[in-house]
Amino acid sequence: EVQLMESGGGLVRPGGSLRLSCTTSGSSFSSYTMTWVRQAPGKGLQWIASISSSGTFISYADSVKGRFTISRDYANSSLSLQMNSLRVEDTAVYYCARTYALGVVQVAAFSDWGQGTPVTVSS
Amino acid sequence: QSVLTQPPSASGTPGQRVTISCSGGRSNIRSNNVNWYQHLPGTAPKLLMYNNSQRPSGVPDRFSGSKSGTSASLAISGLQSEDEADYYCATWDDSLSGVVFGGGTKLTVL
Repeated sequence: EVQLMESGGGLVRPGGSLRLSCTTSGSSFSSYTMTWVRQAPGKGLQWIASISSSGTFISYADSVKGRFTISRDYANSSLSLQMNSLRVEDTAVYYCARTYALGVVQVAAFSDWGQGTPVTVSS
Repeated sequence: QSVLTQPPSASGTPGQRVTISCSGGRSNIRSNNVNWYQHLPGTAPKLLMYNNSQRPSGVPDRFSGSKSGTSASLAISGLQSEDEADYYCATWDDSLSGVVFGGGTKLTVL
């Protein structure tokens, strides 16, 4: 059974940092484009960042570019999101998701999702 | 404001057919495949439709998708109470070099 599980969410002050992780199981990690999507309270889904199956290609939303870093660890089949200079507007539930695709980030069909981890940025 | 435009709400009675629209532009819907998600609060979003009109395994054939030019739509026939959820369209945007989601449509089954 395919599973994605996020962790690392919590309460952080504005300007602070947080690192989210997403552990995966069930299929070959290196065959998937991995993605982070968030949903702020009362808002819709918002794409944050994607990383290709090989890690070669990475893309970020403008709202997080320069502050967030997506990375993947093949040894542990995990995905990470390092979030720095956090702002109140980064408060959201963060989901990791994946797409079976080789060598590209230009994908928007996310077949598997985690349950999400909440991040609250507040003073 | 979302790059892709969806109606904020839609409704129907059990058994009816409902259509949700998604409007975009040349750099997103016209150039790339559209995907649809069903999302219940507090749960993981679920891929409902990919590549405009393809249903993942397990999605009932009551759900169908289409795309024409810079617009796409999701149709749900034989509406059921369990279909009450938020629905999002999503695609790649070549100009933004990223994924864009619609603002979401809250479907109510009356």
